[in-house]
Amino acid sequence: EARVTQNPRYLITVTGKKLTVTCSQNMNHEYMSWYRQDPGLGLRQIYYSMNVEVTDKGDVPEGYKVSRKEKRNFPLILESPSPNQTSLYFCASSPRTGNEKLFFGSGTQLSVL
Amino acid sequence: KQEVTQIPAALSVPEGENLVLNCSFTDSAIYNLQWFRQDPGKGLTSLLLIQSSQREQTSGRLNASLDKSSGRSTLYIAASQPGDSATYLCAVKYNQGGKLIFGQGTELSVKP
Repeated sequence: EARVTQNPRYLITVTGKKLTVTCSQNMNHEYMSWYRQDPGLGLRQIYYSMNVEVTDKGDVPEGYKVSRKEKRNFPLILESPSPNQTSLYFCASSPRTGNEKLFFGSGTQLSVL
Repeated sequence: KQEVTQIPAALSVPEGENLVLNCSFTDSAIYNLQWFRQDPGKGLTSLLLIQSSQREQTSGRLNASLDKSSGRSTLYIAASQPGDSATYLCAVKYNQGGKLIFGQGTELSVKP
């Protein structure tokens, strides 16, 4: 089944403890991206990747890192999480072949205490 | 600044009504526009994608239109059903690059 898989689904952590949220897609998509969703602010793009080893900042990249070493994986890294990074995070991918429908993962609810 | 706005934030209608959801964007030079559905606690599902050269796209009871000159897109839902209850979001892409700007969504409730 074609899908975007994020892990974990829920995560509670403490300020300053490094964490990684994984994202994997099995559709051979070139494009992958990360978003955070906050009440009243909607979805905001954190980082995106047009292909392997190519990443770019979205609208809210501060405090986040990403890497794209393989086509299928696009992990989101929080080196030193802070409470203002408490949010619902989504990973998405698309083929980038002209038909650019985005496929989303189920989300990761992160709480930073 | 490029912005995407969806009004109203919430909408409640009785079952069977035809309804229109609105999406406005500040810069008319868009590359494409996409409508999504989000169920509570779930990810987003792409409903319709309209390229800048297109005026509308249809899928079943859904029809999305695009008017670049006025900076507007509408999502028309025919004969609404309780199962249509969800949050609907639009997102605009301004070029072939990777940036995507979302509206804040319209939360739709269809009452039986």
